[in-house]
Amino acid sequence: DTGVSQNPRHKITKRGQNVTFRCDPISEHNRLYWYRQTLGQGPEFLTYFQNEAQLEKSRLLSDRFSAERPKGSFSTLEIQRTEQGDSAMYLCASSLGRGGTYNSPLHFGNGTRLTVT
Amino acid sequence: AQTVTQSQPEMSVQEAETVTLSCTYDTSESDYYLFWYKQPPSRQMILVIRQEAYKQQNATENRFSVNFQKAAKSFSLKISDSQLGDAAMYFCAYVGFGNEKLTFGTGTRLTIIP
Repeated sequence: DTGVSQNPRHKITKRGQNVTFRCDPISEHNRLYWYRQTLGQGPEFLTYFQNEAQLEKSRLLSDRFSAERPKGSFSTLEIQRTEQGDSAMYLCASSLGRGGTYNSPLHFGNGTRLTVT
Repeated sequence: AQTVTQSQPEMSVQEAETVTLSCTYDTSESDYYLFWYKQPPSRQMILVIRQEAYKQQNATENRFSVNFQKAAKSFSLKISDSQLGDAAMYFCAYVGFGNEKLTFGTGTRLTIIP
């Protein structure tokens, strides 16, 4: 169990640029989640995948955001035309997905901190 | 919509003492689960303890225990024999039965005083 890996750890970008983050889940985990955490707040749900299928998206996920999980392995989160309000920590988590969130707790990565200038 | 409230932005406790972190939630669902997560500085969030709403018995994990009051919609975390490694942000979280979306509170920063 090497844990959930997220890259990059930090990303600084200028407003209007596109950014992409990567998450590598624990290898046997079939569920993968993206959360966003702004300063002084708890994480907010963005989206989740069961294998390669994106099953739920939050209304927080505007049209500028897109997430993929090709082949049910790693996932990417892309933000197009970044805005200063996108500055946050983006957390990825994975789980076995058996019996729901209670029976298959989430394992979180260290996150990618995005700063939009 | 479900909400989770943590009214203590910061708490501190002397090493080896006991501290209780508060959490209240609001929901119209009857079946749900509650969690406490710990987020140490610059490290990933980890699950501390979890509770099923239909179980009256309070969950316990070593030095960590909860006081779950379903009628009051309260879910506090008690840390006994506090250790320096317990210093972290603690988040209370809720998920409805059959749902995959965790709703988190705003967190409580716990400082351990040596």
